[in-house]
Amino acid sequence: EAGVTQSPTHLIKTRGQQATLRCSPISGHTSVYWYQQALGLGLQFLLWYDEGEERNRGNFPPRFSGRQFPNYSSELNVNALELEDSALYLCASSPWTGRIGYTFGSGTRLTVV
Amino acid sequence: AQRVTQPEKLLSVFKGAPVELKCNYSYSGSPELFWYVQYSRQRLQLLLRHISRESIKGFTADLNKGETSFHLKKPFAQEEDSAMYYCALSGGSGGGADGLTFGKGTHLIIQP
Repeated sequence: EAGVTQSPTHLIKTRGQQATLRCSPISGHTSVYWYQQALGLGLQFLLWYDEGEERNRGNFPPRFSGRQFPNYSSELNVNALELEDSALYLCASSPWTGRIGYTFGSGTRLTVV
Repeated sequence: AQRVTQPEKLLSVFKGAPVELKCNYSYSGSPELFWYVQYSRQRLQLLLRHISRESIKGFTADLNKGETSFHLKKPFAQEEDSAMYYCALSGGSGGGADGLTFGKGTHLIIQP
């Protein structure tokens, strides 16, 4: 069984540009979660998608957005990139309830220069 | 607001010694607690969850609601246990509505 896959592995962008990160969940998982792991700040909850809808978002500005497609894969978009957006972005998936725990992808390392 | 505190950034113990990784949480309802582990160059993975009351790789964790703690323990550390450990809490009205709240993590080093 394939795990959670994320692409690209690394992404370098210039300040002010937009970044698009992609995630494919485990087959059968309908929920996708996005986390930001910035140096010194730990893992911060960004967004939760389930059945194609945004269910909840963490304490991040609106320039962090995304969507979930009918096949449950997901995209995270970060607009107007700032230097402090440089971080590892992790995607996780779970079945309809997250109470059994998540399965994480390997992440996308975003560097803003 | 929910919060998870892991007081130790780094914990170093000798092989064969007992290990205890501390985790305290703040949450007004009934939380679900998890431990995640990240070995060198590997992805973050679920180690255990309190609802399962399971022992994984010799590790156990008991939820103490009175002390709001969920410490991770292992009686005899092994070198392969060296990794980054994260305690996490799931609150909200089911389905992980608020996402998982993670602690900052503890880097466990097992010395030979």
